Amino acid sequence: GAGVSQSPSNKVTEKGKDVELRCDPISGHTALYWYRQSLGQGLEFLIYFQGNSAPDKSGLPSDRFSAERTGGSVSTLTIQRTQQEDSAVYLCASSPGQGNTEAFFGQGTRLTVV
Amino acid sequence: TQLLEQSPQFLSIQEGENLTVYCNSSSVFSSLQWYRQEPGEGPVLLVTVVTGGEVKKLKRLTFQFGDARKDSSLHITAAQPGDTGLYLCAGASDTGNQFYFGTGTSLTVIP
Repeated sequence: GAGVSQSPSNKVTEKGKDVELRCDPISGHTALYWYRQSLGQGLEFLIYFQGNSAPDKSGLPSDRFSAERTGGSVSTLTIQRTQQEDSAVYLCASSPGQGNTEAFFGQGTRLTVV
Repeated sequence: TQLLEQSPQFLSIQEGENLTVYCNSSSVFSSLQWYRQEPGEGPVLLVTVVTGGEVKKLKRLTFQFGDARKDSSLHITAAQPGDTGLYLCAGASDTGNQFYFGTGTSLTVIP
């Protein structure tokens, strides 16, 4: 597709379960970001991938959060043993990289932990 | 750590009024971007400013980057209901590996 695609769009899970969120970036974009957004608030940086470099994981809030990017394209954000405070919209963005920092966002995954 | 503060946090105005949203930081950014986000959607890029003092216009929206590249403003002339949304500024680090997002300004334009 032409834009960043995220799935699922909505996810309801029980406390303690693991969840996986998927992001398909724009083809050819080397940079990929994950953010978390609470209702009506700004974006909290989680993790950044650039090409084959080691990811910047400095924003991950706990060791329950992890992310992978396979083949420099699709990324998966995994949250283990979900807690209610994990409830938020998880946004993925990609950018061309190589000096071009303009980010294009997906529609997000709304995660609700009950 | 929130490096970019936006003001006001909430703004409700009548159609046709003018408004200004501010984005302030003590940090210098290599570039600064403004996004608009509608409910249920991801943020959509409006503009990128790169040079200190730069002014860009997008129809009724005017964006300015501070001389020291630490702050920015967004001015909307004759606001329309379609301008309603969450406006976010984001500063890019020198390496471009992080976008520091502002706290957001929620704008409601009443018909």
